[in-house]
Amino acid sequence: DAKTTQPPSMDCAEGRAANLPCNHSTISGNEYVYWYRQIHSQGPQYIIHGLKNNETNEMASLIITEDRKSSTLILPHATLRDTAVYYCIVRGVNTDKLIFGTGTRLQVFP
Amino acid sequence: GAVVSQHPSRVICKSGTSVKIECRSLDFQATTMFWYRQFPKQSLMLMATSNEGSKATYEQGVEKDKFLINHASLTLSTLTVTSAHPEDSSFYICSAPLGRITSSGEQYFGPGTRLTVT
Repeated sequence: DAKTTQPPSMDCAEGRAANLPCNHSTISGNEYVYWYRQIHSQGPQYIIHGLKNNETNEMASLIITEDRKSSTLILPHATLRDTAVYYCIVRGVNTDKLIFGTGTRLQVFP
Repeated sequence: GAVVSQHPSRVICKSGTSVKIECRSLDFQATTMFWYRQFPKQSLMLMATSNEGSKATYEQGVEKDKFLINHASLTLSTLTVTSAHPEDSSFYICSAPLGRITSSGEQYFGPGTRLTVT
């Protein structure tokens, strides 16, 4: 079973920051938080991952709370092409399995 | 980044026939690959782990005799849907982790194969 909880849908205006929350209150100390997104009828795309510290790359920023029970994916300047389903996944270090939850459907509007 | 391809991208077959879907890692070797199935408006469901040189590991509830997996080489895994029925119509997606299992391994997904059984 997925170990994360996400809102089913969110809207964001183009050019604004999109903040996608994820709850993973049962996360273990050696489990990472991964974010993937899936644009309609395509395979998922890796976005970012983290363990404890906040992370940033060219696509997004990941903010993990100090107790690690939740995190937020930030798309700093959302574009229409960011419309997708965003999945927050918790993965342990001893497996490559990714168990997908229901994700958040982000709709970016003009 | 690393690329994973799938072939075919779409396939339509008649009920009772078998269909083979290929998953290839194009610029890296993958000793492990994963197969997922996704029904419309639903999330990805992990079906099985494909292991190069050994038998696949199936998730609970997935029929191993119906979904045959062969990891023929370090860059190719195939999924064969045997005796397909309309309820097997779905979007099948494969993935492969880059490198060995590590604490920060990225995983790359194929573009998916849409199977329609008539």
